Amino acid sequence: EAQVTQNPRYLITVTGKKLTVTCSQNMNHEYMSWYRQDPGLGLRQIYYSMNVEVTDKGDVPEGYKVSRKEKRNFPLILESPSPNQTSLYFCASSFGGGSNNEQFFGPGTRLTVL
Amino acid sequence: QKEVEQNSGPLSVPEGAIASLNCTYSDRGSQSFFWYRQYSGKSPELIMFIYSNGDKEDGRFTAQLNKASQYVSLLIRDSQPSDSATYLCAVSRAGTALIFGKGTTLSVSS
Repeated sequence: EAQVTQNPRYLITVTGKKLTVTCSQNMNHEYMSWYRQDPGLGLRQIYYSMNVEVTDKGDVPEGYKVSRKEKRNFPLILESPSPNQTSLYFCASSFGGGSNNEQFFGPGTRLTVL
Repeated sequence: QKEVEQNSGPLSVPEGAIASLNCTYSDRGSQSFFWYRQYSGKSPELIMFIYSNGDKEDGRFTAQLNKASQYVSLLIRDSQPSDSATYLCAVSRAGTALIFGKGTTLSVSS
């Protein structure tokens, strides 16, 4: 089944404790992206990757890191989480930009930072 | 700053009515336009995409695009309670990221 998977789905952590949210897709997509979604603010892009070893900042990259060592995986790293990073996070993938930019979303990761 | 604007709603319609959702965008170079539906606590799922001016129909859904006015809309005919969700408009130009609007909440009452 074609899908985007994220783990964990739910996470409660404390300020400053490094964490990684994994994202994997099995559709051979080149483009992958991370979003956070907050009430009243909509979906905001954190980082995106056009291909392996190519990443770039989105609208709200502060406090986050990403890597793209393999085409299928795009982990999101919070080196020192803070309460303002409490949010619902989505990973998405697509074949690329423009007319191929139909993005498929993962199920989401609900993160709470205490 | 490229922006996508949507009325947050809620938009309330009775069952069987037509729901009209609107979206405006600021980037005149935008080429691709998408409508996603998102149920509460779930991930967005694609409903429609449109690239050319005019209308595109898929079942009960019609997307309308007017590039000159920088306006895209989604019509839902014969609205059902199961259509109650938040609808996200998203736009992009070639090789760039999708820009999402904040979404319009639709409520269909039976």
